Amino acid sequence: DIQMIQSPSTLSASVGDRVTITCRASQSISSWLAWYQQKPGKAPNLLIYKASSLESGVPSRFSGSESGTEFTLTISSLQPDDFATYYCQQYIAYPITFGQGTRLEIK
Amino acid sequence: EVQLLESGGGLVQPGGSLRLSCAASGFTFSTYCMTWFRQAPGKGLEWVSDIHGNAGISGRASNPFYADSVKGRFTISRDNSKNTLFLQMNSLRDEDTAVYYCAKRRAFNGYDVDYWGQGTLVTVSS
Repeated sequence: DIQMIQSPSTLSASVGDRVTITCRASQSISSWLAWYQQKPGKAPNLLIYKASSLESGVPSRFSGSESGTEFTLTISSLQPDDFATYYCQQYIAYPITFGQGTRLEIK
Repeated sequence: EVQLLESGGGLVQPGGSLRLSCAASGFTFSTYCMTWFRQAPGKGLEWVSDIHGNAGISGRASNPFYADSVKGRFTISRDNSKNTLFLQMNSLRDEDTAVYYCAKRRAFNGYDVDYWGQGTLVTVSS
């Protein structure tokens, strides 16, 4: 199985900050990676697909990048609505696997 | 507008069975891969099962795929005439307790999840 190692597990930041979340795959997944945002009691919401493609309707402050097996989600200027949990997901091979999640908290 | 509405969750005893349904609307259901995910209380997301959409000349979908944790106990199916996805869950265990999400994938054979249902809670407890 492909392991997705996500870091940090918790991140404290302030409105206006630039934040970065990282996900490392245990083997090559090409660009077959997605990022989701989840708020308490709600279903996840797609932010980024194919490593760097912004889903329609998602604010442009969200961006994704990749370097080999390391993938990054960047929020350029945190807004109050962005405090949530973020997950990466690989979908190149079964079983589909997720990172363990990053909880983004208000500092 | 794409909508996915799960139903069928509830409280069941260990060893029991439950059938989840997901009513889909707003897209051509038969041509997309559909997926069940789950999330145990306070835990992360876990993929459960995939069933591909119809594609190609044959118009037939490939065999379903299952996580090892549910293989042999859960069965995914779809009724394209009723735009409905199902998950038959047998021999339920305590560790199957979770919110179960129905999800639409971007293509007939997978890719990312572009739409999620609101989830239905399954509680396995005596």
